[in-house]
Amino acid sequence: DTAVSQTPKYLVTQMGNDKSIKCEQNLGHDTMYWYKQDSKKFLKIMFSYNNKELIINETVPNRFSPKSPDKAHLNLHINSLELGDSAVYFCASSQDFLGHEQFFGPGTRLTVL
Amino acid sequence: EDQVTQSPEALRLQEGESSSLNCSYTVSGLRGLFWYRQDPGKGPEFLFTLYSAGEEKEKERLKATLTKKESFLHITAPKPEDSATYLCAARNRDDKIIFGKGTRLHILP
Repeated sequence: DTAVSQTPKYLVTQMGNDKSIKCEQNLGHDTMYWYKQDSKKFLKIMFSYNNKELIINETVPNRFSPKSPDKAHLNLHINSLELGDSAVYFCASSQDFLGHEQFFGPGTRLTVL
Repeated sequence: EDQVTQSPEALRLQEGESSSLNCSYTVSGLRGLFWYRQDPGKGPEFLFTLYSAGEEKEKERLKATLTKKESFLHITAPKPEDSATYLCAARNRDDKIIFGKGTRLHILP
């Protein structure tokens, strides 16, 4: 059983396109996160949702819009993709907002051409 | 600005050769120091959380320790399967989690 799953695993697209990445967790956790890992493997938090409510929004361009239809899902929609958006995007979840053990998904490698 | 710095960037050890990875942090109101392991092409996997100076946690060949300025991940008699990138992260008083850039560990058989 996959605890945190993401689709797609790979995404190759042209500049200017709009794309979405989906994330689902079956752990019953209340809190979900999106992270970006750049080419130098630096992992940086983008968003955090607790019970479908946005609680952390780092300085991310507003082309990135997270959506949480329920607490088991946190999707990431990206408008007008740019070359600099190329990275691996990880979804994660934790039991609650103060849960210090985060479970990460396998990542989505986004390549913008 | 809150910061987490890991050293060395990369480390090659012979199997059985013990060593330590360093994580220095400058964080306002530390609310937890975390260690994760990341294998190539996979998401990070949780190892430890430390909350206060002097705390230690162990798991198999790994032991994590914490002082007021840094954390160490000690690896005793490592095996090739311990090869991975080890990530350190800190949670500040605003509950923001800041990751270091990681240490790439390679254990030679």
